[in-house]
Amino acid sequence: NAGVTQTPKFQVLKTGQSMTLQCAQDMNHEYMSWYRQDPGMGLRLIHYSVGAGITDQGEVPNGYNVSRSTTEDFPLRLLSAAPSQTSVYFCASSYRRTGELFFGEGSRLTVL
Amino acid sequence: RKEVEQDPGPFNVPEGATVAFNCTYSNSASQSFFWYRQDCRKEPKLLMSVYSSGNEDGRFTAQLNRASQYISLLIRDSKLSDSATYLCVVGGYNFNKFYFGSGTKLNVKP
Repeated sequence: NAGVTQTPKFQVLKTGQSMTLQCAQDMNHEYMSWYRQDPGMGLRLIHYSVGAGITDQGEVPNGYNVSRSTTEDFPLRLLSAAPSQTSVYFCASSYRRTGELFFGEGSRLTVL
Repeated sequence: RKEVEQDPGPFNVPEGATVAFNCTYSNSASQSFFWYRQDCRKEPKLLMSVYSSGNEDGRFTAQLNRASQYISLLIRDSKLSDSATYLCVVGGYNFNKFYFGSGTKLNVKP
């Protein structure tokens, strides 16, 4: 049972570089989301999607793009990385009727 | 103002102790409530949902007070394995957005 798979697990970028964090789930969940976790801040919602073709912004969307072309995949794109985007990123999915979020193992990003 | 606020702790308790955490939420229209557990450098995992009537799962009891907008988690007979950070999570209408507290750290000592 794969659940939610995130790649890469670790990444170091230079300021201004772009990259995509991949997220895939095999549970046929309608809802997928991206969070970042910073010390003392808890998890903050970046973007979310309630189904293929539908995305919306969360609390901290600036500097990030998402798309949802399939039910399974929900990539997060950093357009021009900044040191403030150094964080741990979590992808999560859920079956909306229950609300239980299933998380990937996280991606640790450092921007120099 | 944060959507969900928690005491960061740490709570340092001996094995066998009973410990309680609270969190408060700001949006009275919130519809769903959860406690998640996060081990160090791991992803959060659902501990339990919180229902209006209160609910219990083994040693864990969760309560919701909508009037005062707070949620509580009670852990009885603490085990060493309960050491973790406990995250309070509040969901909006139709489970579209979930807001996380910053977590309360629990250390259970032998």
